[in-house]
Amino acid sequence: QVQLQESGPGLVKPSQTLSLTCTVSGASINNGDYYWNWIRQPAGKGLEWIGRVYASGGTNYNPSLKSRATISLDVSKNQFSLRLSSVTAADTAMYYCARVFPEEIGYVYFDSWGQGTLVTVSS
Amino acid sequence: DIALTQSPGTLSLSPGERATLSCWASQSVSRRSLAWYQQKPGQAPRLLIYGATNRATGIPDRFNGTRSGTRLTLTISRLEPEDFAVYYCQQFGTPPLYTFGQGTKLEIK
Repeated sequence: QVQLQESGPGLVKPSQTLSLTCTVSGASINNGDYYWNWIRQPAGKGLEWIGRVYASGGTNYNPSLKSRATISLDVSKNQFSLRLSSVTAADTAMYYCARVFPEEIGYVYFDSWGQGTLVTVSS
Repeated sequence: DIALTQSPGTLSLSPGERATLSCWASQSVSRRSLAWYQQKPGQAPRLLIYGATNRATGIPDRFNGTRSGTRLTLTISRLEPEDFAVYYCQQFGTPPLYTFGQGTKLEIK
C-alpha cells in the first residue's frame, strides 16, 4: 500500500523560499503510472492544487501562483519536492502531497494523500 | 477556468437522516474527471467517489454519487456519527487542471 509523507520546515520567513519534500513508499515515482502533486489548504478553508510532476520530470502548475512554484523529482530517493519562492503570510497553510491517476489512463482522482505538514509564514 | 460551487455551505442533520450535497460545475466536465472527498478535522481528504458515481475501495454503500448535466450530487442515505465531516467535490480540466469546490460542512443537528 502506498504511503506519502511530507517533511520540511514548519516556519518560513516572508520573502524566503518554502521547501518541502514528499517521501513515497510502496510505489515507485518513476514508473509513470501516476502523477505526483502538491495541494495546500489554509486553516478553515478549501483545497488549492499547486502543481504536479510526472516520471519524465515534466511539470504543470496552478497559474495563480505566478511561477513561484517549482516541483521536482528525486528518483534515487523516491521523493518529490516543492519549492515556493517569495512567500507571504497568504502562503500559510497545510501542505499535502498526493498521488493522482494520469488523465490519459482513465478516471482522474487523488487516491493517496500524505498526512500534511503545516507551514507558517511569519517573521 | 472551471469553477465548482457546492451547496449548501453547511448542512445540519441528525444521525439516521439522509444527506444530499450538491456541486455545480460552471461548464460541462467529463464524468471521469469528477470526484468527491471527505475530510475530518486534522486529517487529509479521503477519496469517496470517483468518476462521479463509483465508490472508492472500502467506502460504505450508503454513499452514492450521481451526475446530471453540470450538477454532481453526493447522497448519504443514513447518516452515521462518523459521516459528519467536510465534503469536497473535485474536477480535472483546463488550467489550473484540478479544482475543488469550497466544501460542504455536514454537522450534527
